[in-house]
Amino acid sequence: ETGVTQTPRHLVMGMTNKKSLKCEQHLGHNAMYWYKQSAKKPLELMFVYNFKEQTENNSVPSRFSPECPNSSHLFLHLHTLQPEDSALYLCASSQDELLTGELFFGEGSRLTVL
Amino acid sequence: AQSVTQPDIHITVSEGASLELRCNYSYGATPYLFWYVQSPGQGLQLLLKYFSGDTLVQGIKGFEAEFKRSQSSFNLRKPSVHWSDAAEYFCAAGGAFGNEKLTFGTGTRLTIIP
Repeated sequence: ETGVTQTPRHLVMGMTNKKSLKCEQHLGHNAMYWYKQSAKKPLELMFVYNFKEQTENNSVPSRFSPECPNSSHLFLHLHTLQPEDSALYLCASSQDELLTGELFFGEGSRLTVL
Repeated sequence: AQSVTQPDIHITVSEGASLELRCNYSYGATPYLFWYVQSPGQGLQLLLKYFSGDTLVQGIKGFEAEFKRSQSSFNLRKPSVHWSDAAEYFCAAGGAFGNEKLTFGTGTRLTIIP
């Protein structure tokens, strides 16, 4: 138990569906992150939120839409995805955005796009 | 460009044998360095980190890593592996300034045989 919870753990969706991934952290951290993990590729940073403000969008397609209503919750809204978007999506949090400490990861949401 | 290289995609080690996982980085200055472990179906967990000071750092689960500036390396070691160490191991590096984000390697999958 890392203090970062992701739901759902598994998601299968068609290309025309709309779904959302949820992340909640119970660590009192101020920064939250979405990463994409695909086979045989390095972890790709997608978005960063610091004190609820988006501070990084790593050239992510607009079919991925993040939302951070408060420092404890982070969502990733999915719309008209492509099969190549199938991957493990990891949420992480840290005390703040500065690279002075560790990232705490959730267990991930395994997404399959048909 | 900043990069982290893990040259070994897959390593197989007998239980009780020693282990060394390689990591090389390319950065303009000495970065912060991390090793994370990902067990099947889990998120990433921090094993250890190097910021400055003693170049041999101790981590959890009996792991250690040595920073070698001259070789731009941060190799992970364990003197005697256990079956529970089977997992994927990721090296990561980040800039020592401000909010530079972590760059991850592609990972090394460790298999333990009896």
